[in-house]
Amino acid sequence: QKEVEQDPGPLSVPEGAIVSLNCTYSNSAFQYFMWYRQYSRKGPELLMYTYSSGNKEDGRFTAQVDKSSKYISLFIRDSQPSDSATYLCAMSPPGAGGYNKLIFGAGTRLAVHP
Amino acid sequence: KAGVTQTPRYLIKTRGQQVTLSCSPISGHRSVSWYQQTPGQGLQFLFEYFSETQRNKGNFPGRFSGRQFSNSRSEMNVSTLELGDSALYLCASSSGDLGLQYFGPGTRLTVL
Repeated sequence: QKEVEQDPGPLSVPEGAIVSLNCTYSNSAFQYFMWYRQYSRKGPELLMYTYSSGNKEDGRFTAQVDKSSKYISLFIRDSQPSDSATYLCAMSPPGAGGYNKLIFGAGTRLAVHP
Repeated sequence: KAGVTQTPRYLIKTRGQQVTLSCSPISGHRSVSWYQQTPGQGLQFLFEYFSETQRNKGNFPGRFSGRQFSNSRSEMNVSTLELGDSALYLCASSSGDLGLQYFGPGTRLTVL
């Protein structure tokens, strides 16, 4: 079993829809949670990061962390065709120097149709 | 600030050869991490360098090695290339705080 599970999709939605992307994880010690967006043939771009449980909002994006359920989510409101990309969740294990050793989910391919 | 840069962007090698990839981090960032991305295994952590010292290491064979220079630039070397080493190799830099890593565009390595 992988430490981080993420449905690879693809997920296809119409423009304007609310998109929900999710990851589950097995290591209860994870403390830092990130979402990256990766366009085709590009490097991942940091979208959101949260520490421990709770919500964080940035424009059309909301990140949620539920540590009790070991479940994280990214919501995209009013989705646009430019949001079409692969979304990767990432987590950071604790321990000295562990912050920069990210463990990624498989990534979910999202397509937003006009 | 300029972002993370990686050279070369594309590389074709044959089995048994070795390859060196280069990464220049964001100015002021002292941590450089390397990842391998493949369709089958996704993004996997290779190693991290901080102030010229390897601080973290992933589960890759010893054929994969790296180093960091005093200006924080980093190189990654893969010796005795195998077909399975074909991948996108990504470099990420961080100021060292909270794992906020910023990725470069990657080097796409094809091993024939």
